Amino acid sequence: EADIYQTPRYLVIGTGKKITLECSQTMGHDKMYWYQQDPGMELHLIHYSYGVNSTEKGDLSSESTVSRIRTEHFPLTLESARPSHTSQYLCASSDHGVAGGYEQYFGPGTRLTVT
Amino acid sequence: GQQVMQIPQYQHVQEGEDFTTYCNSSTTLSNIQWYKQRPGGHPVFLIQLVKSGEVKKQKRLTFQFGEAKKNSSLHITATQTTDVGTYFCAGGTGANNLFFGTGTRLTVIP
Repeated sequence: EADIYQTPRYLVIGTGKKITLECSQTMGHDKMYWYQQDPGMELHLIHYSYGVNSTEKGDLSSESTVSRIRTEHFPLTLESARPSHTSQYLCASSDHGVAGGYEQYFGPGTRLTVT
Repeated sequence: GQQVMQIPQYQHVQEGEDFTTYCNSSTTLSNIQWYKQRPGGHPVFLIQLVKSGEVKKQKRLTFQFGEAKKNSSLHITATQTTDVGTYFCAGGTGANNLFFGTGTRLTVIP
């Protein structure tokens, strides 16, 4: 079982509030990722990090921001939540895999509802 | 940009029937991975294929990587209710990120 944790698991919040979704991993992985996934739909990469002080935007434009001050911690922040941000947010991490591949370990996800 | 498509989007099968999902990339891949996501859960890694034409088996699951390294398939023999979930392929291009496919949601009718 992968050691990657996300809190909170569920969050219902009003429009305009600032929120931070936490993600931590104890595997010492350099690479971490944030995906957005609507129920039953595909995963969209919104942010990733190659290591401490490295952050990049993913394929899907997002109003969220991330930081990577410590290897094990990769929080995602929304400065002003809107109903369009309602979704599931999945955090993942990976190390170098065999032959250049890199298995990603996913956290349990945070289901965000903005009212 | 990079696109990874999967078909079918949905599949309903009677328990005991076989199931196949197909994954197609718009560009050549360095590797392909498969993940399973149970309803309400998170994606879990199943397997990785790296070589052109590679075939790997895990019990009732057979994974193939195309000769041109642009397509892949997952075949499940004699489905069981525990196979229910969404199966995602994810293509790697040698850079650091994976491009996840659109997924195939499998329902198994007992």
